[in-house]
Amino acid sequence: GDSVTQMEGPVTLSEEAFLTINCTYTATGYPSLFWYVQYPGEGLQLLLKATKADDKGSNKGFEATYRKETTSFHLEKGSVQVSDSAVYFCALWGVYFGNEKLTFGTGTRLTIIP
Amino acid sequence: DTGVSQDPRHKITKRGQNVTFRCDPISEHNRLYWYRQTLGQGPEFLTYFQNEAQLEKSRLLSDRFSAERPKGSFSTLEIQRTEQGDSAMYLCASSFGGYGTGELFFGEGSRLTVL
Repeated sequence: GDSVTQMEGPVTLSEEAFLTINCTYTATGYPSLFWYVQYPGEGLQLLLKATKADDKGSNKGFEATYRKETTSFHLEKGSVQVSDSAVYFCALWGVYFGNEKLTFGTGTRLTIIP
Repeated sequence: DTGVSQDPRHKITKRGQNVTFRCDPISEHNRLYWYRQTLGQGPEFLTYFQNEAQLEKSRLLSDRFSAERPKGSFSTLEIQRTEQGDSAMYLCASSFGGYGTGELFFGEGSRLTVL
């Protein structure tokens, strides 16, 4: 079945550091890929998405590129802020009938220190 | 507030008791999902509805779990004869349309503690 693997956490960085959170997936066909974020005390919310190979999703300074050849969707940001502290989840949406749901990775807790 | 709302936000119960959670989706959304999240893990799919029809249930969902969505509006998730392993955050999400969207709107969750 479909699965998502995220890098082990937690991750602690200083403000303005470069961020990479790795995500790889296993799926039938070519799923849509997502990053969701959960800020402290809030519900999960969509951060960015990519629906086909080589697409780049971006939002709030974060970017991720859909790499079919490496089955990856790594999240990056050039200069993190304290307000980026949250838990980040990589997820995929299956593209075949009967699998119309999000499958999530285990999440990566990010803490940014001033 | 027009987001997804869940009630109650917290529930503490004794093992063996029944509990029910309610989810009110965004009004124009026709799909509603239930997920379960335990500490340090990602959300795990439980079931989903399109309008009032329950289209898929996870194999992980035991017979003690039942979900309904009468009239395609709000949904309830009931857990009968709770066990300590049921302690988790229960998340509800909704979306409009469906095939291939993946853009779900989540509520803040209902946290269950089974003593």
